[in-house]
Amino acid sequence: GDSVTQMEGPVTLSEEAFLTINCTYTATGYPSLFWYVQYPGEGLQLLLKATKADDKGSNKGFEATYRKETTSFHLEKGSVQVSDSAVYFCALESPGSGYALNFGKGTSLLVTP
Amino acid sequence: KAGVTQTPRYLIKTRGQQVTLSCSPISGHRSVSWYQQTPGQGLQFLFEYFSETQRNKGNFPGRFSGRQFSNSRSEMNVSTLELGDSALYLCASSYALLWQEAFFGQGTRLTVV
Repeated sequence: GDSVTQMEGPVTLSEEAFLTINCTYTATGYPSLFWYVQYPGEGLQLLLKATKADDKGSNKGFEATYRKETTSFHLEKGSVQVSDSAVYFCALESPGSGYALNFGKGTSLLVTP
Repeated sequence: KAGVTQTPRYLIKTRGQQVTLSCSPISGHRSVSWYQQTPGQGLQFLFEYFSETQRNKGNFPGRFSGRQFSNSRSEMNVSTLELGDSALYLCASSYALLWQEAFFGQGTRLTVV
């Protein structure tokens, strides 16, 4: 079945450091890929998405490129801020999944001043 | 516009009891999905409703059920509660078009004692 694997956290970075959170997937067909972010005490918010191979999703300085050849969708940001501290979830939705999102386990990010 | 509203935010129940959680989607959204979030299992899909019909169901026992009303509001019910049902239950709404953003509520934190 479909699955998403993302790097284990927690990840601790200093402010202005470069961020990479790895995400790989297994899916039948051609899934859409998402990154969601969850701030403490909140629900999930969509950070960015990509719906086909080689698409690059971007938002708030975060980027991720849909790589079909490596089945990956790694999240990157050039310079993190303290306010980026949150849990990040990689997710996929397959055409046959019935609108169900399949999430990775989440990666906790802590950015220190 | 108002976001996804889940009530109550917090709930404490005793083993064996049943519980009903409520979700009001964003106005105009006709699809409502439910997810269970636990530290061990992460985010798992429970079910999805569209126009009062359940279109998809995750791998949960029959104690977990739901419904959707004509105004798109949704409820989920868990009967015969077990300690392992303690979790954050998240509701998401969308326009139900493929690869459209799902908007999440803040969740209901259920604790079973």
